[in-house]
Amino acid sequence: SQQGEEDPQALSIQEGENATMNCSYKTSINNLQWYRQNSGRGLVHLILIRSNEREKHSGRLRVTLDTSKKSSSLLITASRAADTASYFCATGPLSIYNQGGKLIFGQGTELSVKP
Amino acid sequence: DTEVTQTPKHLVMGMTNKKSLKCEQHMGHRAMYWYKQKAKKPPELMFVYSYEKLSINESVPSRFSPECPNSSLLNLHLHALQPEDSALYLCASSQLSRGPEAFFGQGTRLTVV
Repeated sequence: SQQGEEDPQALSIQEGENATMNCSYKTSINNLQWYRQNSGRGLVHLILIRSNEREKHSGRLRVTLDTSKKSSSLLITASRAADTASYFCATGPLSIYNQGGKLIFGQGTELSVKP
Repeated sequence: DTEVTQTPKHLVMGMTNKKSLKCEQHMGHRAMYWYKQKAKKPPELMFVYSYEKLSINESVPSRFSPECPNSSLLNLHLHALQPEDSALYLCASSQLSRGPEAFFGQGTRLTVV
């Protein structure tokens, strides 16, 4: 089962511009994570924000979380061609100890950064 | 070592074949996962192992059979698959006590003919 929606489904920008992706989810969560996937390869963890946090930064990444709206956004600043990839949000369950670290992924945003 | 290693990278199998996918990690993670991903879709959880015990089976057909021989290894045994089972199969692991971030392998691209 999928947790929610991401928008936009596809985003094309020029190098140096900022890219914003949004994610909505349905159930109560312990945390929300963002992953990047280069074409046909494995996913790479980018950043995690816990349900009691509102904003988090990591390098050029900024993530916000609004639990009242069940939504999150990922901002990539000063984008580079190497940022071209699919980006997925994923939600973690309230208790990881009886569900492992089960993640439910959003539909993903395909980001294309043109040089 | 922060890698999850999956073998093989590519696999073509007939519908009557039996094959296995392998996954290995040496990060001391105690949770391991199998995900299935179709083109342009998000990964879908298949199985979760916690402390070498199967804790979640997301109603996966019995032609997929997971096995966790020890805390570092995870296998997925395949038998009598259908062409619609063709997909990218991803293995992941996470350390339950230190956070739910998952480390993914590069996947096995499976084609059923």
